[in-house]
Amino acid sequence: EVQLLESGGGSVQPGGSLRLSCVVSGFTFGNYAMSWVRQAPGKGLECVSAISGSGASTNYADSVKGRFAISRDNSKSTLYLQMNSLRAEDTAVYYCAKGTGTYYIRNWFDSWGQGTLVTVSS
Amino acid sequence: DIQMTQSPSSLSASVGDRVTITCRASQGISNYLAWYQQKPGKVPELLIFAASTLQSGVPSRFSGSGSGTDFTLTISSLQPEDIATYYCQKYNNAPLTFGGGTKVEIK
Repeated sequence: EVQLLESGGGSVQPGGSLRLSCVVSGFTFGNYAMSWVRQAPGKGLECVSAISGSGASTNYADSVKGRFAISRDNSKSTLYLQMNSLRAEDTAVYYCAKGTGTYYIRNWFDSWGQGTLVTVSS
Repeated sequence: DIQMTQSPSSLSASVGDRVTITCRASQGISNYLAWYQQKPGKVPELLIFAASTLQSGVPSRFSGSGSGTDFTLTISSLQPEDIATYYCQKYNNAPLTFGGGTKVEIK
């Protein structure tokens, strides 16, 4: 059974940093692209970052470019999102999502974690 | 970047009704489109990929169609458990953009 478990969310002041983690099981992690998708309270879904199976290729939404960094440790079956210079508008539930192929384009999300809440407020 | 526009943003229908949701891409995306269902307070779940392929385990009352720029998600007979927000998503290239969502309620 595929499982994705996020952690690392919490409350932080504007300008602060957080590091999210997503530990997975039930599949060969390095064979699949992964993404972070966020959902602000009462709002829709936004894919903020994606990474290829090898970790060699990454992509970011314009809203987080230069502030967030996605990475992965295939030996630990763990996906990360380093979030710096956080803003109030980054407040959201952050989901990790599994792609269906090695590269992050040309494949969809077939499994999602339960999400971790990030609140940015003074 | 390609924009994804869903309509309507919300709808109310009776149990047993046929419901249709539209998703339009600002540029052609072939059939690189997925649909997700998010029930209140729950995690999004994959319904359809490649515009019209039903994910394993999804009830057959759900169907998808379209190619290029115009896509539809149809629920042939609305059930109470279908109350949710539905999102389309393009995945032909990055960014992997979602539509704004369509909230489906029971009348």
